[in-house]
Amino acid sequence: EPEVTQTPSHQVTQMGQEVILRCVPISNHLYFYWYRQILGQKVEFLVSFYNNEISEKSEIFDDQFSVERPDGSNFTLKIRSTKLEDSAMYFCASSARRELNEQFFGPGTRLTVL
Amino acid sequence: AQKVTQAQTEISVVEKEDVTLDCVYETRDTTYYLFWYKQPPSGELVFLIRRNSFDEQNEISGRYSWNFQKSTSSFNFTITASQVVDSAVYFCALRHGSSNTGKLIFGQGTTLQVKP
Repeated sequence: EPEVTQTPSHQVTQMGQEVILRCVPISNHLYFYWYRQILGQKVEFLVSFYNNEISEKSEIFDDQFSVERPDGSNFTLKIRSTKLEDSAMYFCASSARRELNEQFFGPGTRLTVL
Repeated sequence: AQKVTQAQTEISVVEKEDVTLDCVYETRDTTYYLFWYKQPPSGELVFLIRRNSFDEQNEISGRYSWNFQKSTSSFNFTITASQVVDSAVYFCALRHGSSNTGKLIFGQGTTLQVKP
């Protein structure tokens, strides 16, 4: 069964460093998303991406964040200068069509900023 | 307002008990979609069900059932004869029909502990 994959599973970084979180969505999906979950809290929307551009972003998704689909398979989230409060689980998700919108989530990347 | 409320933070039951997880939502849209996701201790988010606002028929899938009531803006989830493997955090989520992005709005989650 096709699934969303994410690498790495755990990333530890120093405050101020850049990190890139990688995702491989399900191959025939067209809509891509990043969400984050601070430990013990709810899952929060960060950004949606369709047709090679951002279609919506949340207030959390400030200038320090960017997304890219560099090739036909990968979808990346970059944080330019990490802050302590960026420590969270980051989930990538994809869906085949917006209307059907069963978003299938990857296993997440746990980001720890020291 | 666009909001999902899961008032139950934690629920603890003994195996084989039935348990209902509550979800109340707020939206101005007439078309919307509701979801339940399960987050087991391993951390991934597992899709359980999607419901369209224009379809109020309740659904049963094995030990799981969902009760959607537009009149009370609720989409409750019942597990019958709970098992230890049901222990997880359960999230209810909302997507507006007017959203052109598919953004999901999640509730705070309910932690279910099923004891043997």
